[in-house]
Amino acid sequence: QSVLTQPPSVSGAPGQRVTISCTGSSSNIGAGYDVHWYQHLPGTAPKLLIYVNTNRPSGVPDRFSASQSGTSASLAITGLQAEDEADYYCQSYDTSLSVVFGGGTQLTVL
Amino acid sequence: QVQLQESGPRLVKPSQTLSLTCTVSGGSISSGSYYWSWIRQPAGKGLEWIGRIYTSGSTIYNPSLKSRVTISIDTSKNQFSLKLSSVTAADTALYYCARTRWTGGSFYFDYWGQGTLVTVSS
Repeated sequence: QSVLTQPPSVSGAPGQRVTISCTGSSSNIGAGYDVHWYQHLPGTAPKLLIYVNTNRPSGVPDRFSASQSGTSASLAITGLQAEDEADYYCQSYDTSLSVVFGGGTQLTVL
Repeated sequence: QVQLQESGPRLVKPSQTLSLTCTVSGGSISSGSYYWSWIRQPAGKGLEWIGRIYTSGSTIYNPSLKSRVTISIDTSKNQFSLKLSSVTAADTALYYCARTRWTGGSFYFDYWGQGTLVTVSS
């Protein structure tokens, strides 16, 4: 059971917009700790996608964006492409458990 | 470009100690205000942070693993290491090392190794 809750899977057709939610609590996201997002293709190193809530590292397309409100955060992917098919994880910090991750969301591009 | 590579035994017997090393290339492990972490992923499950170390040697561990974990750093070899004692089948996982940054409001991981699968079995 992960501290941060994500939907197990989402899907969308090429060109569409999808969002992935990340729900925490008052001891992590709600406490004001930053949220970060990672993209993971099995067999490869996870890739930092969004850091400090809304920032994209160099090289990450602006099709990826994120937001945060209250005890939740969300990742949005617009103009969905086949190469976006991967697992996505949110991550934050918790007053009791230190670094915490979401359970991961598998994105399927239809 | 910073690169990280995990190495160590892929098979560990129950009750023994799992030992992994992460070799950092493309930059000094001592430079900058970076921390260095271990993270694992059991098959079919999500990511679990194990712990982190600073170049000074100070460490913080996941409370759920704290009694069994030791992370150390060797700046002369540009490496940091993980030891997890008294392992059971539940410790079978893909183990990652990662460079870690502190934002003032959280930690995040900007570079990761490819991961190494460690199986606990007799």
